[in-house]
Amino acid sequence: GNSVTQMEGPVTLSEEAFLTINCTYTATGYPSLFWYVQYPGEGLQLLLKATKADDKGSNKGFEATYRKETTSFHLEKGSVQVSDSAVYFCALSDTGTASKLTFGTGTRLQVTL
Amino acid sequence: GAVVSQHPSRVICKSGTSVKIECRSLDFQATTMFWYRQFPKQSLMLMATSNEGSKATYEQGVEKDKFLINHASLTLSTLTVTSAHPEDSSFYICSASLGNSGGNTIYFGEGSWLTVV
Repeated sequence: GNSVTQMEGPVTLSEEAFLTINCTYTATGYPSLFWYVQYPGEGLQLLLKATKADDKGSNKGFEATYRKETTSFHLEKGSVQVSDSAVYFCALSDTGTASKLTFGTGTRLQVTL
Repeated sequence: GAVVSQHPSRVICKSGTSVKIECRSLDFQATTMFWYRQFPKQSLMLMATSNEGSKATYEQGVEKDKFLINHASLTLSTLTVTSAHPEDSSFYICSASLGNSGGNTIYFGEGSWLTVV
């Protein structure tokens, strides 16, 4: 079956530090890959996505590249801000519509001044 | 943008009682909603797919008689945990599907923390 593995948190960084949250997946076929973010007290929001190999999703300074050879979709940001503090979820969908998602455990990011 | 609201955000109930969690799409109609559950340090796991006007489709290993899902209208799905026990304590989150010409977009609620004592 499908599965997503992401690094355990919490991750604590100083403002302007470089961020990497690792995500690897196991799936049959060619899934679509997603990063969701959950800010305190809010629902999960789609941060970025990639639907095929070598695609790069990007949004709000975050990037992730769909690497089929390493089955990875690592999230990166060059300079984090305090406002980026949240829980980040890596997910995949093999239905093509993102309706049924397989999630990772989530990684909590805490950015300090 | 589209908004999905869950209520309550936190609930504590006694063992053996039932508790209902609501999921509402506030500004769009959702023919399909999804319920997920997350135990500590584990992944969000899909429990069931809720279709308006029909029975929910449960994932393998989820007890449909324990987790009752009702999707009576295009803006409301409810999850009722019946005869709750401490092992049902978890984070429950719903999502709703909004279809458009570009495909389906999924919107999530804020989640509900259930503690059974």
